[in-house]
Amino acid sequence: ETGVTQSPTHLIKTRGQQVTLRCSSQSGHNTVSWYQQALGQGPQFIFQYYREEENGRGNFPPRFSGLQFPNYSSELNVNALELDDSALYLCASSTIPSDTQYFGPGTRLTVL
Amino acid sequence: RKEVEQDPGPFNVPEGATVAFNCTYSNSASQSFFWYRQDCRKEPKLLMSVYSSGNEDGRFTAQLNRASQYISLLIRDSKLSDSATYLCVVPGPYNTDKLIFGTGTRLQVFP
Repeated sequence: ETGVTQSPTHLIKTRGQQVTLRCSSQSGHNTVSWYQQALGQGPQFIFQYYREEENGRGNFPPRFSGLQFPNYSSELNVNALELDDSALYLCASSTIPSDTQYFGPGTRLTVL
Repeated sequence: RKEVEQDPGPFNVPEGATVAFNCTYSNSASQSFFWYRQDCRKEPKLLMSVYSSGNEDGRFTAQLNRASQYISLLIRDSKLSDSATYLCVVPGPYNTDKLIFGTGTRLQVFP
């Protein structure tokens, strides 16, 4: 196991609601990246946090936002949920932004 | 051309077979490449990193052809436990800390 944990494992929400997903990085890792994986697709990069600052963002709207805490754990917040937000949300941690990324087990979000 | 493009699957092979997956990428400046393995409904796990012409780890061999912007993954003597989706991964063109994943190639090894 990688030591990266995510919570919750599953979540069901309805359109328009807001959701917060959490990720604890592996010990010694100060970088967390978030990915969205729709069914049958590869993971898509949402954004990355390095030492509590956003360090790059993919093509996701502003209603996807994040945070990294002093202990390097991280949150992903999604506002105004849409049906297409249904996906597996993965976080990955690394020692530095350019180093190998290790993934957590993911949070499966279903939007009804 | 898509940033990362993989062979469409699924590949159904018998135990003991040799199977190869291909992946092409669009960013000619990429220096490092990865193959991740993903089991059904699980997280991706790093299988191999490729920084030069290739890499070998037991039954798995990754080869890189920079001129053709092409990476391959060869699995020899397939095992039932090799059944999974294999994701080709390339760092982003403008932000190398961002990983770009292919859609994955599904492998099913049968007895």
